Amino acid sequence: DAGVIQSPRHEVTEMGQEVTLRCKPISGHNSLFWYRQTMMRGLELLIYFNNNVPIDDSGMPEDRFSAKMPNASFSTLKIQPSEPRDSAVYFCASSLAIAGRGETQYFGPGTRLLVL
Amino acid sequence: AQKVTQAQTEISVVEKEDVTLDCVYETRDTTYYLFWYKQPPSGELVFLIRRNSFDEQNEISGRYSWNFQKSTSSFNFTITASQVVDSAVYFCALNFGNEKLTFGTGTRLTIIP
Repeated sequence: DAGVIQSPRHEVTEMGQEVTLRCKPISGHNSLFWYRQTMMRGLELLIYFNNNVPIDDSGMPEDRFSAKMPNASFSTLKIQPSEPRDSAVYFCASSLAIAGRGETQYFGPGTRLLVL
Repeated sequence: AQKVTQAQTEISVVEKEDVTLDCVYETRDTTYYLFWYKQPPSGELVFLIRRNSFDEQNEISGRYSWNFQKSTSSFNFTITASQVVDSAVYFCALNFGNEKLTFGTGTRLTIIP
């Protein structure tokens, strides 16, 4: 079975440009998570969706970040305009969430973003 | 508030030695879930184990074993007869059933050949 798929795997862009990261969750999973990993802050949850609905976006750093999940098999994380401090590895994860069960999250390979 | 502490920032051992990675957590909830993930040099996050708060049985999977002790709020991970391929950053994480994972800061394990 295919795992979580993320694209692109690497992205280099210039400050001020728009960046779009893409994620395809594991088929049948109903929850999707976006994380950011940096040396300074470690792994941070940015936002998560359940049944395509955003449940908690308290981790989204600022209005420059937005995320969408138009259907059960696709999600995007957009940064506009990008800044050098957004450079990080962005992970997408999915799970088959059952209320109160703390089900396992499976992670994609990550997108390594560098903003110059 | 939930918190996960991995006090060991970096550990180095010689190949074939046993090594234990510590994880201490804080939560006021009686129902919660603990996880370990491995992040090898290639960068992906690999799920290793999930344990719920009602199951204190230790678990063994090949060279890996986990010791869960509610009395000390610890969920430690031991690798027996370590191998170079075990070199990675290992994360402990906590979830109290609301789908949000709280990660520790990770322990970087280096196995010296």
